[in-house]
Amino acid sequence: KQEVTQIPAALSVPEGENLVLNCSFTDSAIYNLQWFRQDPGKGLTSLLLIQSSQREQTSGRLNASLDKSSGRSTLYIAASQPGDSATYLCAARQAAGNKLTFGGGTRVLVKP
Amino acid sequence: KAGVTQTPRYLIKTRGQQVTLSCSPISGHRSVSWYQQTPGQGLQFLFEYFSETQRNKGNFPGRFSGRQFSNSRSEMNVSTLELGDSALYLCASSWDPRHYEQYFGPGTRLTVT
Repeated sequence: KQEVTQIPAALSVPEGENLVLNCSFTDSAIYNLQWFRQDPGKGLTSLLLIQSSQREQTSGRLNASLDKSSGRSTLYIAASQPGDSATYLCAARQAAGNKLTFGGGTRVLVKP
Repeated sequence: KAGVTQTPRYLIKTRGQQVTLSCSPISGHRSVSWYQQTPGQGLQFLFEYFSETQRNKGNFPGRFSGRQFSNSRSEMNVSTLELGDSALYLCASSWDPRHYEQYFGPGTRLTVT
């Protein structure tokens, strides 16, 4: 059974600092891994999708890496801004059963 | 291009009632998945439909059911509501989630009293 873990559960950084968010998964047989952002009471916004054959994906200030062998993915957000404050979730789409398993999320606060 | 839409956005029901939630995917997407989000359990997969067929189902009781129509719109139904069913129900659509991103709707907030 796939288990996805995100540590820490919460993070507070001053504006301008780079953010590093961690995601680990137990079953490396995945189709892809997706990072999302969720604002309070809202739905999920897709940030990046990394296919199992890829090592990283970049979009603007965001960069996500994937290491299947170690069961880890990392989301980097450069030069954080107060508007980056949100909960960030990673989710692995496992090959067996073709379902998305989510981590518990990391709640980020960027202080001005 | 319109995003994923869910109706209603908010719903209050009493125990024992049933409820139907609706999801309209992004135009052209054939896959619709449903998730339940609660503070205690986080986000949990309910089921996925692809071209009107249920392709996968999560570990939820039979009170939770769904269907997908020929236009890819989907509905989920919860019968005999329990207090623990109070949650944010999220719908996501994709061309094919094995290879493409899933896009989520704003969710339906269900409160069971």
